[in-house]
Amino acid sequence: SSELTQDPAVSVALGQTVRITCQGDSLRTYSASWYQQKPGQAPVLVIYGENNRPSGVPGRFSGSNSGNTASLTITGAQAEDEADYYCKSRDSSGDPWVFGGGTKLTVL
Amino acid sequence: QVQLVQSGAEVKKPGASVKISCKASGYSFTSNWMHWVRQAPGQGLEWMGVINPTGTKTVYAQRFQGRVVMTRDVSTTTDYMELSSLIPDDTAVYFCARDHSRGNSWWFDPWGQGTLVFVSS
Repeated sequence: SSELTQDPAVSVALGQTVRITCQGDSLRTYSASWYQQKPGQAPVLVIYGENNRPSGVPGRFSGSNSGNTASLTITGAQAEDEADYYCKSRDSSGDPWVFGGGTKLTVL
Repeated sequence: QVQLVQSGAEVKKPGASVKISCKASGYSFTSNWMHWVRQAPGQGLEWMGVINPTGTKTVYAQRFQGRVVMTRDVSTTTDYMELSSLIPDDTAVYFCARDHSRGNSWWFDPWGQGTLVFVSS
């Protein structure tokens, strides 16, 4: 079955830039979407279609894709960005949709 | 605004079934597929399946085949997910999420607030 691999945990100093990555073969064909989840809350879409932000998502969030790797970048991380981040992609083998394992972002 | 409101928490015994609802509002219900995703305590997100806009086609994750049924009632703009033969490892928060797609991109937005299902004898 296909997989999307994320680093379990990443930290960033307040105001600095952090990149969260997601690797998987399906990303060579399909764009990733990214979701932010804070404790006790439902996930919230932050990036879709490789680098599109829904209304209401701050401009410091951006996305990119290269080969089998999708990235979520937060430029000037804020305390409120501390959360779990999940990538998701369509897939043509195994289940048609798959999530990465999630990355816990700590803002120091 | 677009909203997905799910039914309340459930406590079930092993072997039982649970049926969760997801009431949609604020958009044309038959314009979008609806996904179901679950999250066990302290774990990541797991895709369970999807139902098409008219409720005539479903696609389920392999590990839930034979145990999950997704349906929708267009007249009440409500989706349902029923999971049977529950085991303690089915203890999780279950989410519905509206599907969007464009080209080679798919995304889920918004999500329901989640429904906790607790399975214990």
